Amino acid sequence: DVKVTQSSRYLVKRTGEKVFLECVQDMDHENMFWYRQDPGLGLRLIYFSYDVKMKEKGDIPEGYSVSREKKERFSLILESASTNQTSMYLCASLAGGSDEQYFGPGTRLTVT
Amino acid sequence: AQSVAQPEDQVNVAEGNPLTVKCTYSVSGNPYLFWYVQYPNRGLQFLLKYITGDNLVKGSYGFEAEFNKSQTSFHLKKPSALVSDSALYFCAVRAMDSSYKLIFGSGTRLLVRP
Repeated sequence: DVKVTQSSRYLVKRTGEKVFLECVQDMDHENMFWYRQDPGLGLRLIYFSYDVKMKEKGDIPEGYSVSREKKERFSLILESASTNQTSMYLCASLAGGSDEQYFGPGTRLTVT
Repeated sequence: AQSVAQPEDQVNVAEGNPLTVKCTYSVSGNPYLFWYVQYPNRGLQFLLKYITGDNLVKGSYGFEAEFNKSQTSFHLKKPSALVSDSALYFCAVRAMDSSYKLIFGSGTRLLVRP
């Protein structure tokens, strides 16, 4: 079974802090994604990566950056957290040529 | 622009009754359509997909979905609901400009009462 893990289930940070969310997948998938999930808005893509050190902006990249130094790990960085970044963050991975994305359990981030 | 609509925020159904969760889409060309489910405190899990072929697609946990091109719909169905089916369901369509990117609907909460 594919396993996608996220470093924290719950996180509370203060406004202005730098925040790192980590995601690791164990199936050698080429593609990885970061989404945020908000009630009534579904999932919105923040960034995705199709290879090591490669990244592309999704629909809502403002205020976020990403890092993919190793194939199995994809990090989401909030350079200066703001209250409007309070949300559930979901990581996913996808094998090349496949259609099925595998999701991690999510990190619920609260910025106060 | 490509989009997915889930017109119902919540669907309530009694255990043992059939259920339908609605989804309509707007894309140019042939759509790649997906259903995902999110159980409480869990990530999303893939249920089923439509790429081409039969309009009735069967997936995990006894779910199926019917693709209707003329109505641009992809409704999720199950003949007999279980209390354990209570979850948040998302419809998604693959973006035409990417082989990776999914566009998700807003989600529908299914509540199956005993």
